[in-house]
Amino acid sequence: DGGITQSPKYLFRKEGQNVTLSCEQNLNHDAMYWYRQDPGQGLRLIYYSQIVNDFQKGDIAEGYSVSREKKESFPLTVTSAQKNPTAFYLCASSTVPGLAGNEQYFGPGTRLTVT
Amino acid sequence: KNQVEQSPQSLIILEGKNCTLQCNYTVSPFSNLRWYKQDTGRGPVSLTIMTFSENTKSNGRYTATLDADTKQSSLHITASQLSDSASYICVVSVNTDKLIFGTGTRLQVFP
Repeated sequence: DGGITQSPKYLFRKEGQNVTLSCEQNLNHDAMYWYRQDPGQGLRLIYYSQIVNDFQKGDIAEGYSVSREKKESFPLTVTSAQKNPTAFYLCASSTVPGLAGNEQYFGPGTRLTVT
Repeated sequence: KNQVEQSPQSLIILEGKNCTLQCNYTVSPFSNLRWYKQDTGRGPVSLTIMTFSENTKSNGRYTATLDADTKQSSLHITASQLSDSASYICVVSVNTDKLIFGTGTRLQVFP
């Protein structure tokens, strides 16, 4: 999992509540990413950031929000607008900005359950 | 449509045996192909990355091949160990700005 930490490992929330997932990296990477993983599906990109104070929507950004105030941190908020929030969430980072041109290192993931 | 398909979905082998996992892709323009190993409840870890001009790359007991003409890749695991039990994910890069993830092959190695 390299120098990427995600917390907590398990998170339980009631429907209608917003929840924030933490992602921190000490690899001095410029780019950071959030993915969602569901059973039987490939990872899907939620948001990514190539530089501090800037981020872009991925393929499934609806119902999510992010911030990138520090190079080391890229928190993801799952809002009540997300229809199916229960999933395994993975954070990743890479050295050179650009989604595909370089290696992405993944954190250990957070499993979110909303009931 | 850019797609990455992996087979089989799941595989059970005995410890010490070899196995091969398949990845077929319809991605254009192709940039590179990666194989990741993901233990249950953990993040994926990179095994290999190959560009268009590379047709084989090894990482210990893992050997990946790439046929860019047929758009196929395989991951061969030699002398499997119990610790090889995991999901193996094939990821293809479209140009330089998008990753397409396969759904993975779940491998179980039994003693």
